[in-house]
Amino acid sequence: ETGVTQTPRHLVMGMTNKKSLKCEQHLGHNAMYWYKQSAKKPLELMFVYSLEERVENNSVPSRFSPECPNSSHLFLHLHTLQPEDSALYLCASSQSRGHGYTFGSGTRLTVV
Amino acid sequence: QKEVEQDPGPLSVPEGAIVSLNCTYSNSAFQYFMWYRQYSRKGPELLMYTYSSGNKEDGRFTAQVDKSSKYISLFIRDSQPSDSATYLCAMSANSGGYQKVTFGIGTKLQVIP
Repeated sequence: ETGVTQTPRHLVMGMTNKKSLKCEQHLGHNAMYWYKQSAKKPLELMFVYSLEERVENNSVPSRFSPECPNSSHLFLHLHTLQPEDSALYLCASSQSRGHGYTFGSGTRLTVV
Repeated sequence: QKEVEQDPGPLSVPEGAIVSLNCTYSNSAFQYFMWYRQYSRKGPELLMYTYSSGNKEDGRFTAQVDKSSKYISLFIRDSQPSDSATYLCAMSANSGGYQKVTFGIGTKLQVIP
């Protein structure tokens, strides 16, 4: 496996469910990111982990909870989401002082 | 005022045309300037990046940065149907322990055979 892998590719969940998104990078990078991509909006930065420490939490609601157990893995735990949370969730990685991100293919999330 | 402004399009051109994509920005702290390409159902992929004002060429693609005007461009020569995608400009500035990247909304390009 190479690059950044995200699972699942698609997820439909009810507002009372709990689910997790997984991201894994095989590039030796030491920074990982969660972005939200909604129609007609720019990519919104949600969380940043650099050297396994959370360095940014961009005013994201507490129903989104990130976890970074090591430099290769990143999770986004979801609970009691709202329909407006439906979007494409993208994971990316880079060197901590690098500017070129490598993105995964994303998880298309639908909240019903 | 948004930090990065980009026309979302869509932009439709015939095959072989020269395509010009543009962004303006307001934050003088931006140091690196990038273009990402995003195909449908895929994540963005880094196409080109540049640090200084001027031009950078890579095959059919030329990235242009004018820091004095806070304006960046991407030119695609001899456009192909395979170039049909959404093009996102992006700019980064140092933010503590990492380079924080701010994206434009993306311009959807369609190249018609």
